[in-house]
Amino acid sequence: GENVEQHPSTLSVQEGDSAVIKCTYSDSASNYFPWYKQELGKRPQLIIDIRSNVGEKKDQRIAVTLNKTAKHFSLHITETQPEDSAVYFCAASPVNSGYSTLTFGKGTMLLVSP
Amino acid sequence: DTAVSQTPKYLVTQMGNDKSIKCEQNLGHDTMYWYKQDSKKFLKIMFSYNNKELIINETVPNRFSPKSPDKAHLNLHINSLELGDSAVYFCASSPLLGHGYTFGSGTRLTVV
Repeated sequence: GENVEQHPSTLSVQEGDSAVIKCTYSDSASNYFPWYKQELGKRPQLIIDIRSNVGEKKDQRIAVTLNKTAKHFSLHITETQPEDSAVYFCAASPVNSGYSTLTFGKGTMLLVSP
Repeated sequence: DTAVSQTPKYLVTQMGNDKSIKCEQNLGHDTMYWYKQDSKKFLKIMFSYNNKELIINETVPNRFSPKSPDKAHLNLHINSLELGDSAVYFCASSPLLGHGYTFGSGTRLTVV
């Protein structure tokens, strides 16, 4: 099955800095790569996703890049703010195959200091 | 109007008891899931249902039995609860298998 590795496990930055979280996946059949943000005591919420036919996607201060050959994808947050502090999860799945579920990385706790 | 709702939000129970968690979605999605989030925040798939049919059961002890009475509901029954079952259990739904998940608010289960 799919295996998703995520680094770093914790990331501390100053407000205004950029933050980068990296993930690798093992199953070449995976073609959908979402990122979720989970604030303390809340549910994971989708913040951005990318499909394997696209190399990069941007939404305001967040962007995701995908390298299919190397099987890795990254989340970039620019101009970080204290409200960006949360646990971020990457995930991968082969959408619409018979065994499609999201496999999650172990999460990155991002702390943004004012 | 909550899209994916779970009840109860908190559940404290003794070892050996049997308990159920309920999940309902009003998004019209065909697929529903149960995930377990342990104390280290790791989200692990337990079950996946598509149109009321079980399609994935990820090496979960058979003390855990999911039931989907219709497309909008997926319940989780747990027999003979153990200390290691303590976790947050998230229900989720999606329009396509493995895509576009919406999570419920979670059920924090504590076994004492």
